[in-house]
Amino acid sequence: GAVVSQHPSWVICKSGTSVKIECRSLDFQATTMFWYRQFPKQSLMLMATSNEGSKATYEQGVEKDKFLINHASLTLSTLTVTSAHPEDSSFYICSAREAKNYGYTFGSGTRLTVV
Amino acid sequence: QKEVEQDPGPLSVPEGAIVSLNCTYSNSAFQYFMWYRQYSRKGPELLMYTYSSGNKEDGRFTAQVDKSSKYISLFIRDSQPSDSATYLCAMIKAAGNKLTFGGGTRVLVKP
Repeated sequence: GAVVSQHPSWVICKSGTSVKIECRSLDFQATTMFWYRQFPKQSLMLMATSNEGSKATYEQGVEKDKFLINHASLTLSTLTVTSAHPEDSSFYICSAREAKNYGYTFGSGTRLTVV
Repeated sequence: QKEVEQDPGPLSVPEGAIVSLNCTYSNSAFQYFMWYRQYSRKGPELLMYTYSSGNKEDGRFTAQVDKSSKYISLFIRDSQPSDSATYLCAMIKAAGNKLTFGGGTRVLVKP
């Protein structure tokens, strides 16, 4: 089945620094990937839709200059949290869809802690 | 009102019992329906994917979709402690590509 690999699984960084999270589709090509944020005991909140070769589409209220998304190839999308602050600490998850007749596959998530 | 409603639980059942989960939705444009299982600090894992109304079975899991009532269900037979997790329903509109999630139901299967 479809596999989405996300790296790193956890990261601790200092306030003001930037952190990059990678999302790879291992056995299929994904023209579109999605980035979510999840707070404890809450459901997933879509942050942005990552489109291969073009700009990402951000959901309302998500700062595009803070959460930089790059989808340079059909198998890789990256999310960079710039000038991170403690309130950016959260669980970030990516997903992709192999084909229309299949559900979305999620990465294992990245736990970001900003100190 | 949320587009997709799901009871947050927790739902506690003894090992071997049937777990019954459900979601209701308000938008008839939703055409594809999914159930995910999420363990703590992990990404969601796809359990079931259905398109039309009716039943779909896969091992211990059965998904039901009733579009006329805007109601979907997931049943887990012979539940195991390892089934303890949060279960999320999700759905997509026919022409769309964004998932809309329910809030998730936390399930505890006690040995």
